[in-house]
Amino acid sequence: EVQLVESGGGLVQPGRSLKLSCLASGFTFSNYGMNWIRQAPGKGLEWVASISSSSSYIYYADTVKGRFTISRDNAKNTLYLQMTSLRSEDTALYYCARHTVADYWGQGVMVTVSS
Amino acid sequence: DIQMTQSPASLSASLEEIVTITCQASQDIGNWLSWYQQKPGKSPQLLIYGATSLADGVPSRFSGSRSGTQYSLKISRLQVEDIGIYYCLQAYSAPLTFGSGTKLEIK
Repeated sequence: EVQLVESGGGLVQPGRSLKLSCLASGFTFSNYGMNWIRQAPGKGLEWVASISSSSSYIYYADTVKGRFTISRDNAKNTLYLQMTSLRSEDTALYYCARHTVADYWGQGVMVTVSS
Repeated sequence: DIQMTQSPASLSASLEEIVTITCQASQDIGNWLSWYQQKPGKSPQLLIYGATSLADGVPSRFSGSRSGTQYSLKISRLQVEDIGIYYCLQAYSAPLTFGSGTKLEIK
């Protein structure tokens, strides 16, 4: 069974940093590209970043480019999102999702940016 | 960036009714279009990928179609468990973009 479990969220002050993790199981993690997608409270879905299976290709939304870094450790079956210079508008539920078509999603982890 | 214009924003329909939601892409995206259902408090679930392929475990009353740059999700006989918010996603090129969502309710 494919499982994606996010962790690392919480309450953080504006300008600070936070690192999210997504532990994958039930499939060969190193064979799949991965995504981070977020959803602000009461809002729609927003793609944040994607990384290819071997980390050769990485893409970011303009809203996070230069502040967020997506990475992965295939030996640990883990996807990461390093978030710096956090803003109030980054407050959202962050999901990791597998593959270009986002066929499996985690349960999400909440990030709240507030003073 | 590719814009995905989704309509309607909300929809109220009767049980067993046929429901159609559409997404218009601002440029050619081929078949790189997926549909998702999100129930309250839950993660989105993939319904359709490749514009027309049904994801595993998804009831056959869901179907996807494409006409040029317009994509449609059809629910052939609406059921109570189909309430939620539906999103399209284009994965043709980065930045990936979602439609704004369609909130589906039972009349």
